[in-house]
Formats: sequence, C-alpha cells, structure tokens
Amino acid sequence: DAGVIQSPRHEVTEMGQEVTLRCKPISGHDYLFWYRQTMMRGLELLIYFNNNVPIDDSGMPEDRFSAKMPNASFSTLKIQPSEPRDSAVYFCASSSFKRGARTDTQYFGPGTRLTVL
Amino acid sequence: DAKTTQPPSMDCAEGRAANLPCNHSTISGNEYVYWYRQIHSQGPQYIIHGLKNNETNEMASLIITEDRKSSTLILPHATLRDTAVYYCIPGSGNTGKLIFGQGTTLQVKP
Repeated sequence: DAGVIQSPRHEVTEMGQEVTLRCKPISGHDYLFWYRQTMMRGLELLIYFNNNVPIDDSGMPEDRFSAKMPNASFSTLKIQPSEPRDSAVYFCASSSFKRGARTDTQYFGPGTRLTVL
Repeated sequence: DAKTTQPPSMDCAEGRAANLPCNHSTISGNEYVYWYRQIHSQGPQYIIHGLKNNETNEMASLIITEDRKSSTLILPHATLRDTAVYYCIPGSGNTGKLIFGQGTTLQVKP
C-alpha cells in the first residue's frame, strides 16, 4: 500500500493567494483527518470526515479555511486568502475503525510544508 | 477529554531500554491509551495502544498501571533512529479524534 499521499510537499505563496492542499487516503479507510503543526501551537486537529461527510470542523481556524471530500479517495484543504500566519506543516491522516476491537490507529501522510510570504 | 502529563524531554543511551512515562489520571473507563511518535520532519507514526492489560508489539511494550492513571512506553533496545517526540494520547476508539499534547522528546545518544 502506498500509504497516505499528500501534495504538494512544499508550497510557497504570497499573502492573499489561494492555496489548495490535497490528500489521498489509504484505500478502504473511512475516516480522514486534517491537522496543522506549528512550533507555537503543536499539532492541531482541524477537521475530520467519516464516509466523506465532515463530522467535526471545530478546529478550523476561520472562514478562510475550507475542506472538502468529494469521494472516498480524495480530499482538499483550501485557504483563501492565505496569510503569513497560516505558514505551517499540514498533515492528512486516515483510519479505519474496527468497532469490535475499538481501535483507531491513524496513518499520517508526509505533510505539506506551507510558507506564506 | 482526559489530560495527559509527560516529561518534556529524556535521554537514553543507544542499546539501552527507553522508558517513557505518561500520567493520565483523568482517563475515563472506555478510553484507550495510544502512543504515537514523530520523527523530525515526518508525520506522526502509531506505536501501540492499550486499555487495561499490558501490550507488546514489534515496536514497543506498553505497561498500564492497575488504576489506569499512568502508563509507560518501553522501547527495549533504543537505537539512534528512535530519536523522536513521543505522544501519549487518550482515545475513545469511537471517533478517532486524537488530541496531541506536547509529548516527550526522546534523544537517543551513542
């Protein structure tokens, strides 16, 4: 299995531009998570989906951020307009729950390092 | 959500066992204890989880106290590649909503 795939790996943009981050979860996984990591705030959960439906977006910082999951194999996180304080590493993770065993092991992608100038 | 307390940093000699403690005194009865690690510049990696009993896999062992208020992750023979930030996280297993704290930075030294 290829694991969780994220693109691009690095993104440098200027303030005010639209940024789109992409994620392909592990095939068969029904949960998808978007995290943001900064030195100041650590690793924060932004939003997560179950069966392509957003379940909890309470971590999304503001209306400039939006996330979609049009199908089971693709999700996007969009920032419009971007600001320098959005500079961070954005991780996508996926998991598949085995309710009988009550496990939730998340598999993380390599991340996208975003720099907003 | 249960809160966890971990030492901010620890050192370990290469080849020796690394014992990483975690206090989770407010954990509820149905919450598992999960351990993840993050090697520099990589995404977090799942290590192990447990509810009541001690657990062991190819990566590590997890010792949970009988009252479930604390646990210890054991890397039996630490290598330089085990240098990472280790996170102890309570999880219900229902939503998968894991809240990462600051973790313990483990430095394995030659």
